Amino acid sequence: DSGVTQTPKHLITATGQRVTLRCSPRSGDLSVYWYQQSLDQGLQFLIQYYNGEERAKGNILERFSAQQFPDLHSELNLSSLELGDSALYFCASSGGAGANVLTFGAGSRLTVL
Amino acid sequence: SQKIEQNSEALNIQEGKTATLTCNYTNYSPAYLQWYRQDPGRGPVFLLLIRENEKEKRKERLKVTFDTTLKQSLFHITASQPADSATYLCALDEGTGTYKYIFGTGTRLKVLA
Repeated sequence: DSGVTQTPKHLITATGQRVTLRCSPRSGDLSVYWYQQSLDQGLQFLIQYYNGEERAKGNILERFSAQQFPDLHSELNLSSLELGDSALYFCASSGGAGANVLTFGAGSRLTVL
Repeated sequence: SQKIEQNSEALNIQEGKTATLTCNYTNYSPAYLQWYRQDPGRGPVFLLLIRENEKEKRKERLKVTFDTTLKQSLFHITASQPADSATYLCALDEGTGTYKYIFGTGTRLKVLA
């Protein structure tokens, strides 16, 4: 157990729907990162938050949004889902803005039918 | 923007041999570079971090080198075991102060008994 908790572990939904993925960072970590990993693809950086503030943004689609709450948990919202959004979504946390080692959760596997 | 190149072809080696994986980056030299291990369907796990002023870092059977002139890091596993079979990812930040940690696509290692 890495200490980073992601829910749900698996999610199957239909095109056009909206889902929310949740992440609780490791105790004491202030930064949360979201990554997407499609089949046979590398980890694609989506977005990073530090202590509730957006700190860095990757090639995150406009249909996707995220936030980090005062208790430091984070949610990734995916809307108007398409088949191509099917992927593993990983959350990672680290100790601070400058801390550099990421601790990953087990991921949320999203299947869009 | 920064790009990471790892050999996408799988690497098969015999048990007991040394596995050497390569990570090349294209632009500026990062302050540090990290290696992670990822098993199928699971989140990456941090292995080693090497800073730009360190030529070599060791941890048990693992060794990482960092050559800023060649823009390359090498990751070695000595006395390899079947349990070392996994995908190994190289990671670094996209640009100074960006907080975007980008990953290579990884090299899949298979250690044959």
